[in-house]
Amino acid sequence: NAGVTQTPKFQVLKTGQSMTLQCAQDMNHEYMSWYRQDPGMGLRLIHYSVGAGITDQGEVPNGYNVSRSTTEDFPLRLLSAAPSQTSVYFCASVNLVSDTQYFGPGTRLTVL
Amino acid sequence: AQSVSQHNHHVILSEAASLELGCNYSYGGTVNLFWYVQYPGQHLQLLLKYFSGDPLVKGIKGFEAEFIKSKFSFNLRKPSVQWSDTAEYFCASRRGSWGKLQFGAGTQVVVTP
Repeated sequence: NAGVTQTPKFQVLKTGQSMTLQCAQDMNHEYMSWYRQDPGMGLRLIHYSVGAGITDQGEVPNGYNVSRSTTEDFPLRLLSAAPSQTSVYFCASVNLVSDTQYFGPGTRLTVL
Repeated sequence: AQSVSQHNHHVILSEAASLELGCNYSYGGTVNLFWYVQYPGQHLQLLLKYFSGDPLVKGIKGFEAEFIKSKFSFNLRKPSVQWSDTAEYFCASRRGSWGKLQFGAGTQVVVTP
């Protein structure tokens, strides 16, 4: 049982480049979410999904897209990277019965 | 909009000292409250949570938190810390939509031997 996995662990982009952060979970959770963590700001919700085919915006969605074609996978796409998107990104899946979020190991992204 | 405030950004203390981290939330209705911890190089993980009932909740690794509704607070405590408690601690609240947690800014705790 791997839990929540994220790839890559580290990434450096140039301004304007696009990329996809991968997230997968093997706990059959319907609910998944993406957060970004910035110093002094805690974690902020980017996008979330309540099940395959259903996504919605969180607190800071601009510059990011998501899709949910399967229960297991919830990729986050940066369309045109900007230095303001330099951050650590965490994916999480939620056990709705226990109301507990299970976080992935994070992706540290630097945009130059 | 709901918000979560953590009073201390950095705390440094010696082993065996007592720890208390403050957390206040802004919403006055029913709210679920959490403390998450991030040890160096590891995932965030749940320490404890409060939904209802006994306002004193116990979590893993000897941590506990007290929900005080009149003060909108959910402070985290540990009577005697260890070096291994060095970590960043996040308070979070959830009101309404499943999974949409509102996090505080975090408190970096350093325990010196």
